[in-house]
Amino acid sequence: DAKTTQPTSMDCAEGRAANLPCNHSTISGNEYVYWYRQIHSQGPQYIIHGLKNNETNEMASLIITEDRKSSTLILPHATLRDTAVYYCIVRVDNYGQNFVFGPGTRLSVLP
Amino acid sequence: DAGVIQSPRHEVTEMGQEVTLRCKPISGHNSLFWYRQTMMRGLELLIYFNNNVPIDDSGMPEDRFSAKMPNASFSTLKIQPSEPRDSAVYFCASREDTTYEQYFGPGTRLTVT
Repeated sequence: DAKTTQPTSMDCAEGRAANLPCNHSTISGNEYVYWYRQIHSQGPQYIIHGLKNNETNEMASLIITEDRKSSTLILPHATLRDTAVYYCIVRVDNYGQNFVFGPGTRLSVLP
Repeated sequence: DAGVIQSPRHEVTEMGQEVTLRCKPISGHNSLFWYRQTMMRGLELLIYFNNNVPIDDSGMPEDRFSAKMPNASFSTLKIQPSEPRDSAVYFCASREDTTYEQYFGPGTRLTVT
């Protein structure tokens, strides 16, 4: 699986957009980009995933560059409840689908 | 659905004792995963099952750890004997194979003294 690189931590003002970057320069053509987050003392929670097209759901948007070597998770209007560790994972969507979680980005949404 | 259910939520035990963690996946999900999370090592996959069959247990740290899934609605992770370095939060997750999302339980916080 392709390795991912994320900043260790980021701050964002409440109500503003939070843009979380992820580098995955060794991604293969059949590997998907997944985002999960983990709020303190809870289990990780799925946010969104994509292959090459940009994706949007009720939680966030995922922007994948044309060469697929990097992506950005966008929380359009961050709230205090979005404070969490955000994990970017690259994985082939095959049988079993076990994820390897890196250290992630600790996002702090500030009032 | 109630989501993935784990029990107990907290467990404190003495070194050398046997510990059993339990997980009930979401009904209809056919993949189940056990993870361990510590400050030092982050979130690590221990083992996963598909249709009750262990597929990959390469993450199980040593023979003291064992996992079973006797049926589609129940799984256990056992540590015997337990050691202080096993102290961690253990998460169970489940997934339906036609979807992409793993659903995690609330975790069991294990403390071995």
